[in-house]
Amino acid sequence: KAGVTQTPRYLIKTRGQQVTLSCSPISGHRSVSWYQQTPGQGLQFLFEYFSETQRNKGNFPGRFSGRQFSNSRSEMNVSTLELGDSALYLCASSHSGRSNQPQHFGDGTRLSIL
Amino acid sequence: GQSLEQPSEVTAVEGAIVQINCTYQTSGFYGLSWYQQHDGGAPTFLSYNALDGLEETGRFSSFLSRSDSYGYLLLQELQMKDSASYFCAVRAETGANNLFFGTGTRLTVIP
Repeated sequence: KAGVTQTPRYLIKTRGQQVTLSCSPISGHRSVSWYQQTPGQGLQFLFEYFSETQRNKGNFPGRFSGRQFSNSRSEMNVSTLELGDSALYLCASSHSGRSNQPQHFGDGTRLSIL
Repeated sequence: GQSLEQPSEVTAVEGAIVQINCTYQTSGFYGLSWYQQHDGGAPTFLSYNALDGLEETGRFSSFLSRSDSYGYLLLQELQMKDSASYFCAVRAETGANNLFFGTGTRLTVIP
C-alpha cells in the first residue's frame, strides 16, 4: 500500500506570491490533516478535512486555506506569502477520525520564502 | 489554550534505557500519542494511550496517568538508529484529527 504522497518536495517562492501544495492520502483514508513544522514552533495544526468538508481549523490566518476532493486528495493554499511562512508543511491521513487511529504522515513539502 | 512540555534534549548510551516525559494542559483529552521523526523524515506513529497504564510495543513502551496529566515514552535496548526527535501529541477533541504536539525531544544515542 502506497504511503502519503506530498508534492512538490521543495518549493521556493518570494514574498507576496501564493502557493498550492498537494497531498494524496493512503488509499481508503478519508481524513487528511495539515501541519506546519518550524524549528521554533514545532508541529502546529492547520486544518483537517474529512469527506470533502473542513472538520477542524487551527489558529492560522485566513491566508491559509485548503480543500479536499472526492477522491480524498487534498490541497493547501497559502496566499500573500510572508517570510515567516517558510516551513515544512506536513500532511497526515487516517482512515476516519477515531481517536485510536494513528495518523500517517507524508515526507512534507519544504517551502522557502525569499 | 493547549500546552505540552517535554525535555528538549536527551542523551543515552547504546543498549541503555531512556524515558522521555510529557506533561500536558489541554482543554479536552482524548488520548496521548507518541511520534518519532528522523532528520529530514516524516513523523511516524509509535504508540497511543487513551487510558491510564502502560502500553508495550516491542522495545518501546508508553505510559499515561490522566489524573497527573502526564505520560512518558520508554525506549529499551537503545540502538543507534533510535537517535531521532520524539514528539508527544494530545488529541483534545473527540471525532477530530487535530493533534496538539509538544516541541519534541531530541534523543542522541552514543556508543
